[in-house]
Amino acid sequence: EADIYQTPRYLVIGTGKKITLECSQTMGHDKMYWYQQDPGMELHLIHYSYGVNSTEKGDLSSESTVSRIRTEHFPLTLESARPSHTSQYLCASSEFFPTSGRVYEQFFGPGTRLTVL
Amino acid sequence: QQQVKQSPQSLIVQKGGISIINCAYENTAFDYFPWYQQFPGKGPALLIAIRPDVSEKKEGRFTISFNKSAKQFSLHIMDSQPGDSATYFCAAVRLSNFGNEKLTFGTGTRLTIIP
Repeated sequence: EADIYQTPRYLVIGTGKKITLECSQTMGHDKMYWYQQDPGMELHLIHYSYGVNSTEKGDLSSESTVSRIRTEHFPLTLESARPSHTSQYLCASSEFFPTSGRVYEQFFGPGTRLTVL
Repeated sequence: QQQVKQSPQSLIVQKGGISIINCAYENTAFDYFPWYQQFPGKGPALLIAIRPDVSEKKEGRFTISFNKSAKQFSLHIMDSQPGDSATYFCAAVRLSNFGNEKLTFGTGTRLTIIP
């Protein structure tokens, strides 16, 4: 069982509100990722980080922002939520250089399902 | 553009049957091909993975078949069980000594095993 946590699990919020989705991992992983998963299942990378004070935009353009002040914490913020932001948001982490016996593995949290009314 | 194409989008298989999900990739720089399994309400989890220097990898009832020349790989689930009902994602990654790998996911296959 991967030790990566996301809160809240479900969030229903009105348009224009500022929201922060929390993601924490206790595995000491340097690399962390945010994905947006649409109802058609497809996963889109929206942000990633290779360590503290490192953040990069992913393949899918997103109005959200992220920060990485601590290794274990990678929160995602939407300054002004809109209905188009309604989606499932998944956080993941991985070792910088794998030591777990796997060649390369991302560990995913359970996700936050966001609905913006 | 979709660098990893996955089919079918959904699949219904009878219990005890063989489930087959196919993927094709374009970028020949990819050198590691994992499959992730996602149950409802959970995040994806690594199921099985293969390097392109082998044509097949088997772990229990799950087998990856890899065709490097055709740039295709597939997941076979033998003796499919209702507990295998989930969404399956193929993925591809270019490994790096600099640690800057990113997963490129397929579009997902929703598998349902019926009694």
